[in-house]
Amino acid sequence: EAGVAQSPRYKIIEKRQSVAFWCNPISGHATLYWYQQILGQGPKLLIQFQNNGVVDDSQLPKDRFSAERLKGVDSTLKIQPAKLEDSAVYLCASSLDHPRQGTKNIQYFGAGTRLSVL
Amino acid sequence: SQQGEEDPQALSIQEGENATMNCSYKTSINNLQWYRQNSGRGLVHLILIRSNEREKHSGRLRVTLDTSKKSSSLLITASRAADTASYFCATPSSLYGQNFVFGPGTRLSVLP
Repeated sequence: EAGVAQSPRYKIIEKRQSVAFWCNPISGHATLYWYQQILGQGPKLLIQFQNNGVVDDSQLPKDRFSAERLKGVDSTLKIQPAKLEDSAVYLCASSLDHPRQGTKNIQYFGAGTRLSVL
Repeated sequence: SQQGEEDPQALSIQEGENATMNCSYKTSINNLQWYRQNSGRGLVHLILIRSNEREKHSGRLRVTLDTSKKSSSLLITASRAADTASYFCATPSSLYGQNFVFGPGTRLSVLP
């Protein structure tokens, strides 16, 4: 079974530039998550999708961050414009079903995209 | 506010020793998960324990859950250099929360 795919693995941009990350979840996984992980910290949820609908985006800085999951499969996360404090690893994860469905809420993570904003 | 928090922040042991790390959380939960993250990689799920379970084993891993104290512990027995990683507990944001909150993690170093 293929895992969660993310690209690119690394990205270096200057502040005020735009950047986009792509995620392909495990086939059949309804729920997709985007996390931001700053060095030395745990992952922080940015947005959660159930199929192509948003379940939780309460911690997404909506003035600069946007995400979409067209057709309930692949997802993209965009930052426009980037700030220095956006330097972090952006992790995508997927799970088989909604977290309320018991063991199906185990999350499978991609390797992440390391973003450096200069 | 942070739901789960691991303790200690960092732990260094010799190969073959046991490693214990703890997680405390604030609100009632129906399950708790532990994940491992090797340097530069994504997180890998280790074990899930439900609120009606007190202890669970998986290979060299032993997880306990004390809902009265709102705490969990992860024990790695006979540690290996390959166990060097950060370990995170993940708890639902509320009892039937729709998402999970990760703590800051415990960074474990196993020295050969």
